[in-house]
Amino acid sequence: AQSVTQPDIHITVSEGASLELRCNYSYGATPYLFWYVQSPGQGLQLLLKYFSGDTLVQGIKGFEAEFKRSQSSFNLRKPSVHWSDAAEYFCAVGLSNFGNEKLTFGTGTRLTIIP
Amino acid sequence: DTGVSQDPRHKITKRGQNVTFRCDPISEHNRLYWYRQTLGQGPEFLTYFQNEAQLEKSRLLSDRFSAERPKGSFSTLEIQRTEQGDSAMYLCASRGTTSSYNSPLHFGNGTRLTVT
Repeated sequence: AQSVTQPDIHITVSEGASLELRCNYSYGATPYLFWYVQSPGQGLQLLLKYFSGDTLVQGIKGFEAEFKRSQSSFNLRKPSVHWSDAAEYFCAVGLSNFGNEKLTFGTGTRLTIIP
Repeated sequence: DTGVSQDPRHKITKRGQNVTFRCDPISEHNRLYWYRQTLGQGPEFLTYFQNEAQLEKSRLLSDRFSAERPKGSFSTLEIQRTEQGDSAMYLCASRGTTSSYNSPLHFGNGTRLTVT
C-alpha cells in the first residue's frame, strides 16, 4: 500500500524567506503526487500535481515542486513566502492505475509566517 | 462553478445519536468522495461514488456508517449510534472525468462533528 511521510510537523519562516516542505512517498510504481493547502476551518485547495513528464512542476500562488524518483521525494518550494501562505500543507499520493480515485495523504506540515 | 457545498458546517451531538451530513458536488461532476480528517492528521479516504454507484468503501467505514447518492447528484453520509471516536472533520470532494487523471479533486469546507 502507498504511504506518504511529511517529516516536519511545524515550520516557521520569516516573511520573504524561502520555503521548502518535505514529502517522501512509498509506492511501487510511478505515483501521482499532489500538494494541497488547507486554511483553518476550510477544505483543501490543490496547489499542484505531478503525473508524468517534467519533474519540476509549477503550481498556483508561486509554488513549485520537484519529483525525485531516486529519493522518493516530492518537495514543495516557494522562493519568497507571504503572510497569507500561513496554513497547513498536505502531500498526497494517488494510485497510478486509478488516477486520484483514492488519495493517501500525509499528516501535514503547519506553516507559520513571522514578520 | 459554485464549488462543493457541505451542510451543516458544524454538528454537536451526544454519544449514541444518529447524524446525517449532506454534500452537494459541483454540478457537472460525476464522481463524489468522502474523506475524514481527525485533529493533526491528513484526510483519510472513506468512500466514493461514480454517479449513483458506490464503487469503493474503506475499511474505516464501519457498519454504523452509510453513504448514499440516490440520483447521482447530492450525497448523504449517515453515522448511526455515534461514538466519541467519530469526532472529526468530514470532507466531501468531487471531480469530473472528462480529463480522466488530470481533473483535480475539488473539496468542500467540511462538516465538523463533535460527539460529547
